[in-house]
Amino acid sequence: DTGVSQNPRHKITKRGQNVTFRCDPISEHNRLYWYRQTLGQGPEFLTYFQNEAQLEKSRLLSDRFSAERPKGSFSTLEIQRTEQGDSAMYLCASSLGGTSFSYEQYFGPGTRLTVT
Amino acid sequence: TQLLEQSPQFLSIQEGENLTVYCNSSSVFSSLQWYRQEPGEGPVLLVTVVTGGEVKKLKRLTFQFGDARKDSSLHITAAQPGDTGLYLCAGAVRGSTLGRLYFGRGTQLTVWP
Repeated sequence: DTGVSQNPRHKITKRGQNVTFRCDPISEHNRLYWYRQTLGQGPEFLTYFQNEAQLEKSRLLSDRFSAERPKGSFSTLEIQRTEQGDSAMYLCASSLGGTSFSYEQYFGPGTRLTVT
Repeated sequence: TQLLEQSPQFLSIQEGENLTVYCNSSSVFSSLQWYRQEPGEGPVLLVTVVTGGEVKKLKRLTFQFGDARKDSSLHITAAQPGDTGLYLCAGAVRGSTLGRLYFGRGTQLTVWP
């Protein structure tokens, strides 16, 4: 049973550039979440998918952020016109919705973004 | 304002000592999870508690969910250097069907040999 995978693990980009991250959830999990974590803080919710439908977006997700899960499997998170404040660890998690284990979210290793 | 308040923020102890980490809120949670995170890695799920008053044990770790499902604690007995890490509590607010987790800021534990 493979866990959640994320690519790339590290990304350094210049301010103003666009970046895209990929998340592959645990294969049978229908729910997928994106979180952002900055130094000294716990993860903060960004957005949530059930299958291919994006059901909730945080106010943290500005217009420069977009997420997709086109076939209900992997997901991508794109940040356009990056700013230094976007520097953070971007975490993906998945869970099996509709069961008693719905709230058990399993996290990937994260993508560390540094905007210079 | 954090929905979940964790204390202490930092804990530095000697090997063999016992410790307790607290996670408190004014909100009621359907479930509460504890995670451990290493530098540069994602959080790893340790336990989920769902019933008020529930106690779960994982080797030297004991987790408790408050009777009112507003708070939780993590107790480690005879801490070892391998227990070093960031401990995070996270909860799903009661009434939410979406499963979004709210996290505390974490407790950074360092166990010295």
